[in-house]
Amino acid sequence: EAGVVQSPRYKIIEKKQPVAFWCNPISGHNTLYWYLQNLGQGPELLIRYENEEAVDDSQLPKDRFSAERLKGVDSTLKIQPAELGDSAVYLCASSLMGGPNTGELFFGEGSRLTVL
Amino acid sequence: AQKVTQAQTEISVVEKEDVTLDCVYETRDTTYYLFWYKQPPSGELVFLIRRNSFDEQNEISGRYSWNFQKSTSSFNFTITASQVVDSAVYFCAVLNTGFQKLVFGTGTRLLVSP
Repeated sequence: EAGVVQSPRYKIIEKKQPVAFWCNPISGHNTLYWYLQNLGQGPELLIRYENEEAVDDSQLPKDRFSAERLKGVDSTLKIQPAELGDSAVYLCASSLMGGPNTGELFFGEGSRLTVL
Repeated sequence: AQKVTQAQTEISVVEKEDVTLDCVYETRDTTYYLFWYKQPPSGELVFLIRRNSFDEQNEISGRYSWNFQKSTSSFNFTITASQVVDSAVYFCAVLNTGFQKLVFGTGTRLLVSP
């Protein structure tokens, strides 16, 4: 079974440019997460989707970040315009919602963004 | 709000040594879950274990064992007879069941040398 797929793995852009990250979750996983991981830190939740609905986007900086999950499968995270402080790894994860699978997230390898 | 403290930033051991990774958590919830995740150099976090706040039994899985002590709000992870493949960053996390939000600690980097 394929895991969570993210692209691109690496992206280098200049500040003020836009950037987008794509995530394909594990088939059948209705919950999708975007996490931000700064160097030497643990992942921090940006947004969580249950199917198509963003149920927790309280940590998403909405002035420059946006996300969508059309049809409740793939998701895209966009930053426009990017700032130097956005340099980090953007992790996508998916899970089955609730029950014994609570909290068991399956992560992709991440998209490493460098803003120059 | 939930918080997880992993005071050990980096630990270096020689293969076959036992090593314990510490985790102290804070939560106001009476029902919560605790987790350990492993992040190898490839980058993807891998789920290792989940514990329910009502179950304080220690757990052993092969060379891995976990000690959950509610009285000290700790959930420590021990690797017995460490191997080079255990080298990774290990994250402890707590889940707020009401908001389904997983909060991670800052991680402990484990280096196992041959």
